[in-house]
Amino acid sequence: GAVVSQHPSWVICKSGTSVKIECRSLDFQATTMFWYRQFPKQSLMLMATSNEGSKATYEQGVEKDKFLINHASLTLSTLTVTSAHPEDSSFYICSARERPGPAAELFFGEGSRLTVL
Amino acid sequence: AQSVTQPDIHITVSEGASLELRCNYSYGATPYLFWYVQSPGQGLQLLLKYFSGDTLVQGIKGFEAEFKRSQSSFNLRKPSVHWSDAAEYFCAVLSGGYNKLIFGAGTRLAVHP
Repeated sequence: GAVVSQHPSWVICKSGTSVKIECRSLDFQATTMFWYRQFPKQSLMLMATSNEGSKATYEQGVEKDKFLINHASLTLSTLTVTSAHPEDSSFYICSARERPGPAAELFFGEGSRLTVL
Repeated sequence: AQSVTQPDIHITVSEGASLELRCNYSYGATPYLFWYVQSPGQGLQLLLKYFSGDTLVQGIKGFEAEFKRSQSSFNLRKPSVHWSDAAEYFCAVLSGGYNKLIFGAGTRLAVHP
């Protein structure tokens, strides 16, 4: 199956710094990428939908200025957590699909664990 | 609003026993339903999906799920559980004009030897 890779898989940073997480589709061009956040022992909450070349669409309650999403190419989307604080510590997962529509399978990355000290 | 409910937060079964994980959805139109499995610290792997047609869907790793519109359910089953099946299982429905995946809270499966 298609592969979606996230980097880094884990990161520790100091409070107040910014952290960038990359999501790459390795063997297909992703028209749409999604960013999820997962707290320990909880479900995945959709943060935003990212289409190549356009602004991301954020879910209600997600701060656009804090979680910057860029989808600069058909194989790369980045999530930047700006001025990170301990409450931003979480598991961030991206997913990608090659084409729109319900029949297009979503492929998930391995996730990136962020710990803010 | 569309939603997915997984009533069981945690289930423990013995190896070799049968398994059923419950999932109920709330969706006005024809639902597109999925089951995913997540091992600790990992991303999600698709087990199976239902779009239309036969209401009994076969997936990978010996899993199957049955769509019951009258009960708004899409329960996941496996006749004989293996220790390697211990993981977190998520039911999901496509929402937002079939554009966004909405997940249930998940069911954590533990398998006793």
